[in-house]
Amino acid sequence: DIQMTQSPSSLSASVGDRVTITCQASQDISNYLNWYQQKPGKAPKLLIYDASNLETGVPSRFSGSGSGTDFTFTISSLQPEDIATYYCQQYDNLLYSFGQGTKLEIK
Amino acid sequence: EVQLVESGGGLVQPGGSLRLSCAASGFTFSSYWMSWVRQAPGKGLEWVANIKQDGSEKYYVDSVKGRFTISRDNAKNSLYLQMNSLRAEDTAVYYCARAWLGTNFDYWGQGTLVTVSS
Repeated sequence: DIQMTQSPSSLSASVGDRVTITCQASQDISNYLNWYQQKPGKAPKLLIYDASNLETGVPSRFSGSGSGTDFTFTISSLQPEDIATYYCQQYDNLLYSFGQGTKLEIK
Repeated sequence: EVQLVESGGGLVQPGGSLRLSCAASGFTFSSYWMSWVRQAPGKGLEWVANIKQDGSEKYYVDSVKGRFTISRDNAKNSLYLQMNSLRAEDTAVYYCARAWLGTNFDYWGQGTLVTVSS
């Protein structure tokens, strides 16, 4: 099974900051990596699919990059409404796993 | 508008059974892989199971194999999760999710809470 290591587990940043979260796969997953945002008490929301593609309607301050085993999720200018927990998720032959999550807070 | 509405959660004793349902609307249900994803209280997300459009292929996370069964009724636009031999560690909010091309989860329900406790 493919394991996903996401870091950091929590992050405090100021409005306007550039924020970066990383996700590492235990083996090569090509670009089969997605990113989700989850606000308290809500279902997750897909933000980035296939490592770098922005889901329709998602603000352009969100972006993703990477391939193989190392992936990065970036918020170019943090906004107050971005406070949430973020998860990476890989898919491999119809089996899936998520990273542990990164809880993002405003400093 | 795509909508996924879960139901069937509740309190059950260890070793008991529960059947979750997910009613889908706003899209052609029979054209999509569907999945269940769960989240234990205060914890992260865990994929549980998925099922092919026609129900001919099903996949499960190791921790539920032999205990949970995913199924669907395309005529009723409904997804199900039969959960048997429930354990305390199965306590979680269970989400129904549409799996776009079997790769990402592009729509989610609001979730239904399953609590396994004596």
